[in-house]
Amino acid sequence: AAGVIQSPRHLIKEKRETATLKCYPIPRHDTVYWYQQGPGQDPQFLISFYEKMQSDKGSIPDRFSAQQFSDYHSELNMSSLELGDSALYFCASGDRFREKLFFGSGTQLSVL
Amino acid sequence: DQQVKQNSPSLSVQEGRISILNCDYTNSMFDYFLWYKKYPAEGPTFLISISSIKDKNEDGRFTVFLNKSAKHLSLHIVPSQPGDSAVYFCAASDTNTGNQFYFGTGTSLTVIP
Repeated sequence: AAGVIQSPRHLIKEKRETATLKCYPIPRHDTVYWYQQGPGQDPQFLISFYEKMQSDKGSIPDRFSAQQFSDYHSELNMSSLELGDSALYFCASGDRFREKLFFGSGTQLSVL
Repeated sequence: DQQVKQNSPSLSVQEGRISILNCDYTNSMFDYFLWYKKYPAEGPTFLISISSIKDKNEDGRFTVFLNKSAKHLSLHIVPSQPGDSAVYFCAASDTNTGNQFYFGTGTSLTVIP
């Protein structure tokens, strides 16, 4: 069965650079969630989208922006990267009944 | 403020025995709960869920119990297998106010062969 696909799997950037993370949800899922998990920390909710509209916003820095496109894939854009942005970024997709969330394998971002 | 807490960072269990992972929450409005399993360098995978209208949900070797008065839920794995060794996260949501999930900090389960 198709799963949530995130790309790239690994990304290395330098401070003040820009990064774009992509998430392709499970087909027919209309909701996408983004989470950030720093080393030794629990996942922190960043932002979510339902039917291509932002539905919830968590602890997402102003330097980050995200959107969901017409094909339901989502992109997390991160600018002016800081060392503290180094983390595993998870995307999850859900169906309209939100009974389950399916997570991608994550993008490991390292900011040097 | 941590709304979902898993107070045991680690747990070791003998293969074949029962594993019990606990989770406490503070927000009485939470009405939907999930358990996830996470292997290193992978995204959490969904295990089992329970809504507040139930006090128990079972799926194969996994059973989740919900005690709303105590704001406590637990995940039972019977019998435990070495492949169950992973970090387990519980998550909670108030479905009436949004779709944000609050995660606990995880419990690392080691099943000893």
